[in-house]
Amino acid sequence: GQQVMQIPQYQHVQEGEDFTTYCNSSTTLSNIQWYKQRPGGHPVFLIQLVKSGEVKKQKRLTFQFGEAKKNSSLHITATQTTDVGTYFCAGPNRGSTLGRLYFGRGTQLTVWP
Amino acid sequence: DGGITQSPKYLFRKEGQNVTLSCEQNLNHDAMYWYRQDPGQGLRLIYYSQIVNDFQKGDIAEGYSVSREKKESFPLTVTSAQKNPTAFYLCASTRPRLAGGTGELFFGEGSRLTVL
Repeated sequence: GQQVMQIPQYQHVQEGEDFTTYCNSSTTLSNIQWYKQRPGGHPVFLIQLVKSGEVKKQKRLTFQFGEAKKNSSLHITATQTTDVGTYFCAGPNRGSTLGRLYFGRGTQLTVWP
Repeated sequence: DGGITQSPKYLFRKEGQNVTLSCEQNLNHDAMYWYRQDPGQGLRLIYYSQIVNDFQKGDIAEGYSVSREKKESFPLTVTSAQKNPTAFYLCASTRPRLAGGTGELFFGEGSRLTVL
C-alpha cells in the first residue's frame, strides 16, 4: 500500500535556529498537505502543494514539493517557542478526490528558549 | 461558529465493554473520517464516509464499527473485539476539494479513550 515516510521523528532546537522536516512517498502524489498539531491539540491544516517543484511561503515557513512529486519539505526559519508541536505531511491515495489521506508519522519539534 | 464536536473528550472503560464516540459537524461537509493516533505514530484511518448511509473501511477497521444516518453525525463504536483500544481518536470532515488537489481535513478536538 501507499506509504508516506517522514523524518526526523524528533527535533530539538534552540529558539532562533532553523528546522526542517522531510516527507517521502513510495508513489507519485497528486498533491501533498501539511498539518500542525500542538501538544494536547488536534491537527490543523497548514497548506497544500499541487504542482511539481512548487514552493509556498507562510511567514517563516517554507513548503516545497519535489519535481517528481514524491517528496516534500517544510522549513521553519528562526524558530520560536510558538512553533512547538508535531508537523505531519499527508498525501492522498491514487485517484482520491475526497481527502482520504495517508499521514507520515510526524516530526515532533521542541524549541528551547 | 461552524466546526466539529467530539464527545466525550476523555473516556475510561473496562476491558470488554463497547464504547461509542460521538462526532457531530455543522460544516455541511459530505465526507467524514475517523482516525486513530498513538504516541509516535501518524494518523491511521479507521473508517470513512463520503455520503449518508454509506461508509468504507480504512486501514485499521477491525474491532470498530460506524454508522452514518445523518450528514452531520458519524459515531464510532469501539467494540470489545478491538485488542488495543486505548488511543486518541480524531474525527474529521472534508469540504470540497481545493483546486487541483484534495479536500483539506477539519479535525475535532479528539476523544482520549483509556481502557483499564
